[in-house]
Amino acid sequence: GQNIDQPTEMTATEGAIVQINCTYQTSGFNGLFWYQQHAGEAPTFLSYNVLDGLEEKGRFSSFLSRSKGYSYLLLKELQMKDSASYLCAVVDSNYQLIWGAGTKLIIKP
Amino acid sequence: EAQVTQNPRYLITVTGKKLTVTCSQNMNHEYMSWYRQDPGLGLRQIYYSMNVEVTDKGDVPEGYKVSRKEKRNFPLILESPSPNQTSLYFCASSPTGEAYNEQFFGPGTRLTVL
Repeated sequence: GQNIDQPTEMTATEGAIVQINCTYQTSGFNGLFWYQQHAGEAPTFLSYNVLDGLEEKGRFSSFLSRSKGYSYLLLKELQMKDSASYLCAVVDSNYQLIWGAGTKLIIKP
Repeated sequence: EAQVTQNPRYLITVTGKKLTVTCSQNMNHEYMSWYRQDPGLGLRQIYYSMNVEVTDKGDVPEGYKVSRKEKRNFPLILESPSPNQTSLYFCASSPTGEAYNEQFFGPGTRLTVL
């Protein structure tokens, strides 16, 4: 079967750095997305990785290792507004998105 | 403003009473999709559409119907809602069905079936 694993919940301190991991086992791989979802709101796009390595976009970076079936989202200089759920999603061999359950990130002052 | 809209945003209904949730996008996107989101589970795709008059089942299509008569609209129909369809529903669109396209989500419809 296809499986995406993310931690259910993480807590971090304002101004710090946090890394949210995502491991996947899917039938084929055509890219990995990260989305941010604030409580009660729609998911919004953060990043897309299809090649191995780190992609940086401001305070957010996303890393992919296809051989390990692993990705992480790195958030730097955490702000209170970063409190949200972070969703990992993999595009499988049929070009369908397989979604993880999401990681709820709690930021404390 | 480029956006995906859904209506209604909130709906409480009773078992068996047919309902339609509308979805519309103004970005001329070819691809549209419906998801449901339940606590502890990832987004699960109900139906998707690659273009006008082309629809396909997602992972959890039972109890739902869709149509795509126009490019901008993709309504979700529950012919006979049941309590297990109580959920948060999202409509999404993307320029094409290509894997690298980000999806743009509507604001969500919170449905309660009593």
